[in-house]
Amino acid sequence: NAGVTQTPKFQVLKTGQSMTLQCAQDMNHEYMSWYRQDPGMGLRLIHYSVGAGITDQGEVPNGYNVSRSTTEDFPLRLLSAAPSQTSVYFCASSHLQGNSPLHFGNGTRLTVT
Amino acid sequence: DAKTTQPPSMDCAEGRAANLPCNHSTISGNEYVYWYRQIHSQGPQYIIHGLKNNETNEMASLIITEDRKSSTLILPHATLRDTAVYYCIVRVFDQTGANNLFFGTGTRLTVIP
Repeated sequence: NAGVTQTPKFQVLKTGQSMTLQCAQDMNHEYMSWYRQDPGMGLRLIHYSVGAGITDQGEVPNGYNVSRSTTEDFPLRLLSAAPSQTSVYFCASSHLQGNSPLHFGNGTRLTVT
Repeated sequence: DAKTTQPPSMDCAEGRAANLPCNHSTISGNEYVYWYRQIHSQGPQYIIHGLKNNETNEMASLIITEDRKSSTLILPHATLRDTAVYYCIVRVFDQTGANNLFFGTGTRLTVIP
């Protein structure tokens, strides 16, 4: 059981480049989300989804797009990378029912120069 | 969701109990208390949660005061592998089922040999 898988683990971009951070889960979780974590800070919610075809904004959505075409996958797109998006990105998933705990991936460390 | 207050750091001797406090004085009646931890920049890991009764699982115990304004996470026999940042989070499980969590800066627990 792989859980939540994020790729790539590391990425360096130049300002203005675009890329997609991949997130996949094999636990049939309805809920998926993306967080970013900056040095010395807690995690901040970027976007989330409660099911295929449904997405919504979190606390810091600007500069990021998401889509949810399948239950398993929830990619995060940076259309024009900026140095302020240098961060560690975590994907998480859970069931919707009850107080299901969040399962996190191991993160993608992104540097924008 | 109610905000929480945690000490920024704590030390604990290996083999002793680690007691991590959390203040959530503005918690409402339907908000749960969750604890997660993050080991060395890995993805956060769920530990335990509760509403008003004390809870115990294989990882830890959660003690919630009768007025629910504070709680304590107890790691009964801390090991070096328990060195991590511990996050106390309170939230209500809303009708959409969205499992959006607000992570503060947590408590950095260092277990000392």
